[in-house]
Amino acid sequence: DSGVTQTPKHLITATGQRVTLRCSPRSGDLSVYWYQQSLDQGLQFLIQYYNGEERAKGNILERFSAQQFPDLHSELNLSSLELGDSALYFCASSAEVIANSPLHFGNGTRLTVT
Amino acid sequence: DAKTTQPPSMDCAEGRAANLPCNHSTISGNEYVYWYRQIHSQGPQYIIHGLKNNETNEMASLIITEDRKSSTLILPHATLRDTAVYYCIVRVAFKGGKLIFGQGTELSVKP
Repeated sequence: DSGVTQTPKHLITATGQRVTLRCSPRSGDLSVYWYQQSLDQGLQFLIQYYNGEERAKGNILERFSAQQFPDLHSELNLSSLELGDSALYFCASSAEVIANSPLHFGNGTRLTVT
Repeated sequence: DAKTTQPPSMDCAEGRAANLPCNHSTISGNEYVYWYRQIHSQGPQYIIHGLKNNETNEMASLIITEDRKSSTLILPHATLRDTAVYYCIVRVAFKGGKLIFGQGTELSVKP
């Protein structure tokens, strides 16, 4: 158990809808990262937050947004969903943003868009 | 960030050591080598990381060559539960942010 909690585990929704994925980092970790894994793309970095502020952005679509709250949990919002958004979404956390601080991943949310 | 090259797949007999190679010939002096594994759609699991020296923990050993251009992850006594995709990632020391995952090596441990 990595200590990173993601909810829900599974989500099925229709095209055009909006969903929110939630992540609770490991106790004491200040940084949260979001990744997307689809069958044909591998693990893709989306966005990173550190202590409530956006730190780095990857290939995140404009339809997607995220935030980190004062209690350090994070939410990833996906809107105007398309079939291609079906994927596993992983959250990871780390204590610091130095390269010597490993990321620890949750077990993901499986999103299916029909 | 430096790129890594790994073989797409490897087999290992149960109980034997699994040696997974990784080439990172363009690595810079301040970049760390990280290893993760992913077991069938679970979240990636942190294994080990190092900068220059060899490292060992309860899961594995990491051997980094003196010129730092390649490394080997060693699972000393592979079990069927070690069957997974293993990712070697080079991470910049001063950015400390995202990990960029490649395609990894699919390790199959066979009885």
